Parts: sequence; C-alpha cells; structure tokens
Amino acid sequence: SQTIHQWPATLVQPVGSPLSLECTVEGTSNPNLYWYRQAAGRGLQLLFYSVGIGQISSEVPQNLSASRPQDRQFILSSKKLLLSDSGFYLCAWNGPGAGGHSYEQYFGPGTRLTVT
Amino acid sequence: AQSVTQLGSHVSVSEGALVLLRCNYSSSVPPYLFWYVQYPNQGLQLLLKYTTGATLVKGINGFEAEFKKSETSFHLTKPSAHMSDAAEYFCAVSVISSGSARQLTFGSGTQLTVLP
Repeated sequence: SQTIHQWPATLVQPVGSPLSLECTVEGTSNPNLYWYRQAAGRGLQLLFYSVGIGQISSEVPQNLSASRPQDRQFILSSKKLLLSDSGFYLCAWNGPGAGGHSYEQYFGPGTRLTVT
Repeated sequence: AQSVTQLGSHVSVSEGALVLLRCNYSSSVPPYLFWYVQYPNQGLQLLLKYTTGATLVKGINGFEAEFKKSETSFHLTKPSAHMSDAAEYFCAVSVISSGSARQLTFGSGTQLTVLP
C-alpha cells in the first residue's frame, strides 16, 4: 500500500531564516505531487504541483519554492521566511488510476510551521 | 473555471441527529467531486468520491453524498452524528491542468461540532 511522509511534524523558525520541508511517497511510481498551505482559519491554498522529476508548477507567487529531485520526493523551501509563511503545510499525491492518474488526492500528516 | 461553495462555515448538531453539510459547485464540464475530513493537526482524509455512475455514493464512517446535477450540489449526510464526527469537512472538485495533473479546487471548509 502507499504511504506519504512529511517531516518535520512541527517547526519554529525565526523571520529571515531558511526553510526546507520534505515529503516522500512510498509504494507508487510517477505520482503527481502537491504542496498546500492552510493559514489559521482559512482553507487550503495550492502552492505548487509536480508531474515529474524537475517539473514544478507554481500556483501563487510568493516567498517559497519547490523542487522534485527524485520521483517520490518533493521539497518545499524558502531562503528567508516571513511571518506570513506561518501555517500548516500539507503534501499530497495522486497516482495511477483509470484513464491515467486518479483524481482523488491523498494527503500527508502535515507540518506545522510557526515563524517568530 | 471550477469553484466550490460550502454553505455554513460552522455547523452544530446534537449527538444522534442528522448531519447535513452543504456543497455547491460550478463546472463547465462533468465534475469529479470529493469530500474530505480533517481532524485537528492532521492531514485530510478522503471520505467519499463521485466520478461517474451511481449518484448516491457511500463513504467511510457512515457518510454518504448525492450528486445532483440539476442543483449543482453534492451535499454530505450522515443519519446519526457521533461525537467522533467533530472535525472540519472539505468539499472539492477536480480539474484538469497541464500534463496529467489532476488538481483539486477546495471549498473553504465546514467545522462540524457535535453536542452531547
């Protein structure tokens, strides 16, 4: 069966510091991968998605970047964090299904980021 | 472009009462629709999905939803609420973006409170 991991689970970082969040998927090949953010009291905002190694699409211009160095690894980064980067970051994937990749997405446990 | 509207950001029901969470969508093509549940500080869990076929779909934990094309709705119901149902619920519609990506557009969420 497939599983998705995120780490760290929680992170407290000062303003201006760098960020690296990691997401890995097990048990599948060639997944689509997604990064979302949930700010306090708000819904899910899609930040980035990737359909393959080195292929990144950005949905919202911001202080963040994403990379996909391996098929099942997705990394979210920042060179200098802002207070507004605080939130709950979720990684998700979808995989092979009828007619191509399945439509539903499966989510990781999330990373709670607090920028101080 | 697809969009999702969840009516009621907060819903309270008594334990044992009917749960009804409302979701309306807009889509220029036949939609794929989903309901997710999120418990505090956790990722999203897929409750149920509608792709094609039977318009009444059953999911986990006794939940079900009915796709009504004429009303552009996909409301989530459960006959008898349990304390463990207290969580945030998200409705989502699937869109097709570049390549094989299957993006989801989420509603803003409904927080369900179950009263003893």
